[in-house]
Amino acid sequence: DSGVTQTPKHLITATGQRVTLRCSPRSGDLSVYWYQQSLDQGLQFLIQYYNGEERAKGNILERFSAQQFPDLHSELNLSSLELGDSALYFCASSVAPDQPQHFGDGTRLSIL
Amino acid sequence: GEDVEQSLFLSVREGDSSVINCTYTDSSSTYLYWYKQEPGAGLQLLTYIFSNMDMKQDQRLTVLLNKKDKHLSLRIADTQTGDSAIYFCADLSGGGADGLTFGKGTHLIIQP
Repeated sequence: DSGVTQTPKHLITATGQRVTLRCSPRSGDLSVYWYQQSLDQGLQFLIQYYNGEERAKGNILERFSAQQFPDLHSELNLSSLELGDSALYFCASSVAPDQPQHFGDGTRLSIL
Repeated sequence: GEDVEQSLFLSVREGDSSVINCTYTDSSSTYLYWYKQEPGAGLQLLTYIFSNMDMKQDQRLTVLLNKKDKHLSLRIADTQTGDSAIYFCADLSGGGADGLTFGKGTHLIIQP
């Protein structure tokens, strides 16, 4: 158990819909990261937050947004969903941005 | 951009040593990581090495880093059936500003 909690574990929805994925970091970790894992693109970094502030953006689509709350949990919002958004979405956390990242079990998103 | 390369498959006999190789392009990498992903599971941080180290040993795992050639390897001694998984090499550069860059993963197959 990495200590990073992601909910829900599975999500099935339709094209055009909007979903919210939730992440609770390990106790004491201030940095939260979101990654997408798909068969064709592999594991890709989406976005990073540190102590409530956005710190870095990777290959995140404009239809996607995220935030980190004062209690340090984070949410990833995906809107206007397309079939190609079907993937495993991971959250990771670390004490600080340059420290080892620990991953949650992921949320598997299926778009029908 | 940065790139991390791994071979896709490695097959070894149970009890032998497994050596998984990885090359990376970013000369400013600060940490290099090995993660393990079992079927249907999340990413487990196995071990990591700081870029100013050549070697790190942790029980059955040995990490070797050749910074000049930008080559990283993970050796698993006495490979067991429970080691069957996908192993990802990842690098962290830019002080963590860009998230982790992952390889495509090496499927480790254990033969009885």
